[in-house]
Amino acid sequence: GIQVEQSPPDLILQEGANSTLRCNFSDSVNNLQWFHQNPWGQLINLFYIPSGTKQNGRLSATTVATERYSLLYISSSQTTDSGVYFCAVRTNQAGTALIFGKGTTLSVSS
Amino acid sequence: DSGVTQTPKHLITATGQRVTLRCSPRSGDLSVYWYQQSLDQGLQFLIHYYNGEERAKGNILERFSAQQFPDLHSELNLSSLELGDSALYFCASSALGGVGTDTQYFGPGTRLTVL
Repeated sequence: GIQVEQSPPDLILQEGANSTLRCNFSDSVNNLQWFHQNPWGQLINLFYIPSGTKQNGRLSATTVATERYSLLYISSSQTTDSGVYFCAVRTNQAGTALIFGKGTTLSVSS
Repeated sequence: DSGVTQTPKHLITATGQRVTLRCSPRSGDLSVYWYQQSLDQGLQFLIHYYNGEERAKGNILERFSAQQFPDLHSELNLSSLELGDSALYFCASSALGGVGTDTQYFGPGTRLTVL
């Protein structure tokens, strides 16, 4: 099945710093979503981005489908950005399920 | 708030017992998905229902079953519970059948603890 690898596994930042999270996937995808799981366990949709670039405030994402990777950029980090960031993909082979990576755990300190 | 609701938020029970988790999708969404998040397995897809019919099945144990009702809410039934079933169970919904540009929105989850 498809492999979804996220890097780095852990990231520690000071408030105000910028960061880039990466998601590599091993097959063609027809859906890619980024999520933020906050410390209370809630999974929050950040982006639906099977290709191209999107921006939402301090967050932006880019997916290069032909090279099978996606990047999530977080600028001017805030403590509320702490949590786990997941990349999830859907492929024709996997049907309707989202296949999740193991996530990147981000800790932002003040 | 994604618009997907799940009850209960927390559930503590004993081994061998049976529990039911409930999910109401976003207004207008026809698809409901169930996922399990455990420390060792990460986030894994269990099952997908579309407009009352099972559409796809993932790593769902035979002790687990689900259904989607005519009002589109869904229930996940877990029976003969084992310690390893302790996990966070998420429900997600999407507007269509899970293909094309369909985007999944996740509920707040039900945290199940089996003692």
